[in-house]
Amino acid sequence: EPEVTQTPSHQVTQMGQEVILRCVPISNHLYFYWYRQILGQKVEFLVSFYNNEISEKSEIFDDQFSVERPDGSNFTLKIRSTKLEDSAMYFCASVPGLAGGTDTQYFGPGTRLTVL
Amino acid sequence: GNSVTQMEGPVTLSEEAFLTINCTYTATGYPSLFWYVQYPGEGLQLLLKATKADDKGSNKGFEATYRKETTSFHLEKGSVQVSDSAVYFCALPPHTGFQKLVFGTGTRLLVSP
Repeated sequence: EPEVTQTPSHQVTQMGQEVILRCVPISNHLYFYWYRQILGQKVEFLVSFYNNEISEKSEIFDDQFSVERPDGSNFTLKIRSTKLEDSAMYFCASVPGLAGGTDTQYFGPGTRLTVL
Repeated sequence: GNSVTQMEGPVTLSEEAFLTINCTYTATGYPSLFWYVQYPGEGLQLLLKATKADDKGSNKGFEATYRKETTSFHLEKGSVQVSDSAVYFCALPPHTGFQKLVFGTGTRLLVSP
């Protein structure tokens, strides 16, 4: 069964450094999402992406964050200058997005980001 | 917008006990409702879903019924196993369509032998 994959599984970085988290959504899915989960807290929406542009973003998704689908398969989340409070598990998700089709979101295994 | 309220945990049970994890929702219209599970050290997995009122989602012995009258989507299992120990999240989209998901706070289930 097709899966959403994410790399790396764990990223450790110094405060102020840039990080890029990578996701490969399920092939021919049309809607893509990033969420994050700070340790012990609820899962929070960051951004959704459709037709090569951001369709919605949360207050968390400030100018330090950006997303890109550079090659039709990868979907990346970049944090330009990481802060300690960016330490979290980051999940990518995708939805087929066909009219009348399932609205189930399929999640990747997550990338644990640790900012020192 | 739509939202969910989930019972706080942890829920601690002995193996073979009956499980209920409460979830109530506030919604405009009738969006799909979801239960996701997060096993220790892993990502989010869809456990079950229901797409309309009175629908029952089921998977791996877990069930949840979409109840419009009580705006609830409680998760139940007749006999839990140690391997069911995980965090369970109730979720729904803020509106119909291919929107983000709004998650509950999660309920940790601990099952002892």
